[in-house]
Amino acid sequence: DTGVSQDPRHKITKRGQNVTFRCDPISEHNRLYWYRQTLGQGPEFLTYFQNEAQLEKSRLLSDRFSAERPKGSFSTLEIQRTEQGDSAMYLCASSMSGGAYEQYFGPGTRLTVT
Amino acid sequence: GEDVEQSLFLSVREGDSSVINCTYTDSSSTYLYWYKQEPGAGLQLLTYIFSNMDMKQDQRLTVLLNKKDKHLSLRIADTQTGDSAIYFCAERGLTGGGNKLTFGTGTQLKVEL
Repeated sequence: DTGVSQDPRHKITKRGQNVTFRCDPISEHNRLYWYRQTLGQGPEFLTYFQNEAQLEKSRLLSDRFSAERPKGSFSTLEIQRTEQGDSAMYLCASSMSGGAYEQYFGPGTRLTVT
Repeated sequence: GEDVEQSLFLSVREGDSSVINCTYTDSSSTYLYWYKQEPGAGLQLLTYIFSNMDMKQDQRLTVLLNKKDKHLSLRIADTQTGDSAIYFCAERGLTGGGNKLTFGTGTQLKVEL
């Protein structure tokens, strides 16, 4: 098992541009989560999928953010019209349903908006 | 709402024990977790404890939970330089559906020779 992977690892974009990130979860995990982490803070929950269904979204997820998991495997997170305040590390995690619901994290995508 | 607090820094000498503390507010917490984050990396799950337990040991790691005081601690025995990192406490509660983790701000552990 290769763990959770994310692509790209780093993204620099100009304000106003759109960006898309990809997450590939651990293959047998049916739950997938997106978090955002800013410098000096812990990760903050953005959204969660069970299979292909997006079941929960945080208030942090403004209308400019959209996430999909079309076939219940990989997921994408798109940010439209990026703002400097969107600069952060975007982390993806996956888990099984049941038990301790241990969430395993990917290496993250660091977004810098200039 | 849910809140998780940790002290910001801890410095220990190599070979000593480290104790990292965490307090949380969500009384519906079911599981509590400890993660480790090294610079520029994602989070590595170290261990977790179910809310009806008061202690869990896993090799050099010991987790203590005082549910009455909503206090969690992580003890690392024989701390090594490779343990230098930021440690996050996280809780999974039933508030809001129980699908997310709420993290503390992290404790930076520095291990000195």
